[in-house]
Amino acid sequence: DTGVSQNPRHKITKRGQNVTFRCDPISEHNRLYWYRQTLGQGPEFLTYFQNEAQLEKSRLLSDRFSAERPKGSFSTLEIQRTEQGDSAMYLCASSFEQTNTEAFFGQGTRLTVV
Amino acid sequence: EDKVVQSPLSLVVHEGDTVTLNCSYEVTNFRSLLWYKQEKKAPTFLFMLTSSGIEKKSGRLSSILDKKELFSILNITATQTGDSAVYLCAGGTSYGKLTFGQGTILTVHP
Repeated sequence: DTGVSQNPRHKITKRGQNVTFRCDPISEHNRLYWYRQTLGQGPEFLTYFQNEAQLEKSRLLSDRFSAERPKGSFSTLEIQRTEQGDSAMYLCASSFEQTNTEAFFGQGTRLTVV
Repeated sequence: EDKVVQSPLSLVVHEGDTVTLNCSYEVTNFRSLLWYKQEKKAPTFLFMLTSSGIEKKSGRLSSILDKKELFSILNITATQTGDSAVYLCAGGTSYGKLTFGQGTILTVHP
């Protein structure tokens, strides 16, 4: 296992289209987080899963955003009816509850909405 | 609302200089303070601090947490051009959610 994997690495889409990103966490990690990072800012928390349960969603997350982690392993983040303001780097991170160590980040998916 | 503030926002130094990066935090259910380094890709982990007053060191980097003053510093001694990056501070909750600061952009000139 080489770490947190995110796909695709880059996505260019037209405004109004739907996009879906995938995150595969480190295999034994039961906690999974999604963050969004825009240029010049630190990552902002979007949502958090423990196993398959989504336990927290940021108020920043509009109803166009939805995330799932159906079997407690990989997760998907979908953005419907994309807007130019959605252009950002979407980062996934995972950690292991039992040791409560730091979160490890994937390489991110860079979304550009044109 | 949870908040993390870093200072300075940017710093330009020459190789060999020592730098101190600052981080203040207000995080509900706070458990840990983390430092990450980011170089045009995903953040890479540097330190995780949970106890006040205990310095953590890794080579030329060191960090300490003051839970009374809600403050942490990251020191880098004998800076090198490879230290040029954005340094992110984050407050972590008991369940691992991170609230990040804006980051400090460090530029090290030869």
